[in-house]
Amino acid sequence: DTEVTQTPKHLVMGMTNKKSLKCEQHMGHRAMYWYKQKAKKPPELMFVYSYEKLSINESVPSRFSPECPNSSLLNLHLHALQPEDSALYLCASSQVVSASWETQYFGPGTRLLVL
Amino acid sequence: AQTVTQSQPEMSVQEAETVTLSCTYDTSESNYYLFWYKQPPSRQMILVIRQEAYKQQNATENRFSVNFQKAAKSFSLKISDSQLGDTAMYFCAFALSGTYKYIFGTGTRLKVLA
Repeated sequence: DTEVTQTPKHLVMGMTNKKSLKCEQHMGHRAMYWYKQKAKKPPELMFVYSYEKLSINESVPSRFSPECPNSSLLNLHLHALQPEDSALYLCASSQVVSASWETQYFGPGTRLLVL
Repeated sequence: AQTVTQSQPEMSVQEAETVTLSCTYDTSESNYYLFWYKQPPSRQMILVIRQEAYKQQNATENRFSVNFQKAAKSFSLKISDSQLGDTAMYFCAFALSGTYKYIFGTGTRLKVLA
């Protein structure tokens, strides 16, 4: 099973809402990633978790709050977002975080619209 | 700092023909990895092919092959016998050895025409 799943597929939220994105993998990977992708642009790294601990935060605003409850699950909690945060949010996983040759497996993404 | 450049925003190719997507990068390091990822419309991004910089032999995966020119810092992707399912955005990516972070190019949108 080389699948990373993400829910929901689409999400519309107001600027005062609180919502969460969910990502799951059952490949035994110990590194998980959140990316943000704007239309016709490459993905931008947001967070990296290694062995369920936050390893990297790429200076992401605090209105995005990641959480890794266990090795298979990664959440992204959203609060007080701005319209410019509308994007496709991609989750990815890999065997380990320090080995750059490891393939990252991407989920299908959650398309977020902030009104 | 490392940079990745894909100079062809859009390309098209007839089914069954061959197409080459270009990618150049800039780094002063010698140990790194290069990747081509494919993102079909409304579908998830998947790895097409990867190349270790220390390997001189060009990587090949079925209809996909790369032309890796380390001195020229060039990493082009050749797709042979193009199929309609190859229609996608293709991203070239670079990663320094021992790091977690991919540096992506801006992408090339490839359309395969019937």
